[in-house]
Amino acid sequence: DAGVIQSPRHEVTEMGQEVTLRCKPISGHNSLFWYRQTMMRGLELLIYFNNNVPIDDSGMPEDRFSAKMPNASFSTLKIQPSEPRDSAVYFCASSLGSLKYNEQFFGPGTRLTVL
Amino acid sequence: QKEVEQNSGPLSVPEGAIASLNCTYSDRGSQSFFWYRQYSGKSPELIMFIYSNGDKEDGRFTAQLNKASQYVSLLIRDSQPSDSATYLCAVRAGLNAGNNRKLIWGLGTSLAVNP
Repeated sequence: DAGVIQSPRHEVTEMGQEVTLRCKPISGHNSLFWYRQTMMRGLELLIYFNNNVPIDDSGMPEDRFSAKMPNASFSTLKIQPSEPRDSAVYFCASSLGSLKYNEQFFGPGTRLTVL
Repeated sequence: QKEVEQNSGPLSVPEGAIASLNCTYSDRGSQSFFWYRQYSGKSPELIMFIYSNGDKEDGRFTAQLNKASQYVSLLIRDSQPSDSATYLCAVRAGLNAGNNRKLIWGLGTSLAVNP
């Protein structure tokens, strides 16, 4: 299995630009999570999908952030317009939600730098 | 009070010693508990999970759970320099959270094993 795939791995952009991060979960997994990680705040859950439906988006910082999951094998996280404080590593993770212990498998992350 | 608390460290131990990592949580209804390891610049990876009171052993790793005291710990026996990483504690939200697939994360403890 290829694991969770994220692209791009690195993104450098200027303030005000639109940024789109992409994720392909592990085949067969029905839960997908978008996280943001910074030194100060640690790992923060932004949004979580189950069976392609957004379940909990309480972690999405503001309206500049949006996420979609059009099908079981693809999700995007979009930031428009981007700001320097959005600089962080963004992780996508997937899990097989029916398991009691709910292990989440993480992708390699996208390191975003907004200048 | 943060929902999941860990000592940020760094925790420094000599090679061959036992490293003890601790985590406390606030939601008494929490169901499952996870320890993830994260090497610098990499994504988190699951080491162990536990959901019953007591000890669970896997090789050099032992997870300990005490629901009455609301803490979970990870012991690493015969610590190796390759164990040097940040260890993240994650707790599966209780049923009263209305979303039992969500994980609540601690900020992590940095472990350094000195040769």
